[in-house]
Amino acid sequence: KAGVTQTPRYLIKTRGQQVTLSCSPISGHRSVSWYQQTPGQGLQFLFEYFSETQRNKGNFPGRFSGRQFSNSRSEMNVSTLELGDSALYLCASSLGLSSGELFFGEGSRLTVL
Amino acid sequence: AQSVTQLGSHVSVSEGALVLLRCNYSSSVPPYLFWYVQYPNQGLQLLLKYTTGATLVKGINGFEAEFKKSETSFHLTKPSAHMSDAAEYFCAVSRINAGGTSYGKLTFGQGTILTVHP
Repeated sequence: KAGVTQTPRYLIKTRGQQVTLSCSPISGHRSVSWYQQTPGQGLQFLFEYFSETQRNKGNFPGRFSGRQFSNSRSEMNVSTLELGDSALYLCASSLGLSSGELFFGEGSRLTVL
Repeated sequence: AQSVTQLGSHVSVSEGALVLLRCNYSSSVPPYLFWYVQYPNQGLQLLLKYTTGATLVKGINGFEAEFKKSETSFHLTKPSAHMSDAAEYFCAVSRINAGGTSYGKLTFGQGTILTVHP
């Protein structure tokens, strides 16, 4: 069974640009969550989608957005990039049921110059 | 609000020694608790989880953790460290809603980097 796939793995952008990251969950998983990981702030929850609906949202500015498609694949977008957006963005999928067990991808490492 | 505190950002042990990584949580309701491991340039892998039932939970690679409600702790242990255990370890708590289900939002501790010396 294929794991969670995130693309691209690495990317470099400049301030003011926007970026779109993609996540393909494990087959059969209906929930996709996104996390930002930085050395200073650690792992922070961005948002969760379940059956194309945003079910939870973290404490991030509106520049961070996401969506989920009918095949459960998800994208997140960051507009007007800032230096502080440099981070590892992790996607996790789950069945969306009560266990709360998440399966993580390897992440997309974003560098903002 | 939920929170997780991992005591010690760095822990160093000798190969074959006991591994003890400490985690304390704060939650207004009985939580679901998790330990994840992250190797360099990789995502997080679930080691073990506690939801309900037996408070001593066994995970992969010989790790186990004990849920102690009175101490609000969920410490991770392994009797004998191996070089391959060197990684960063994260304790996490899941939010439980009024219906008793948990969703994809985890609150993570700051992580503990485990170093294993030969």
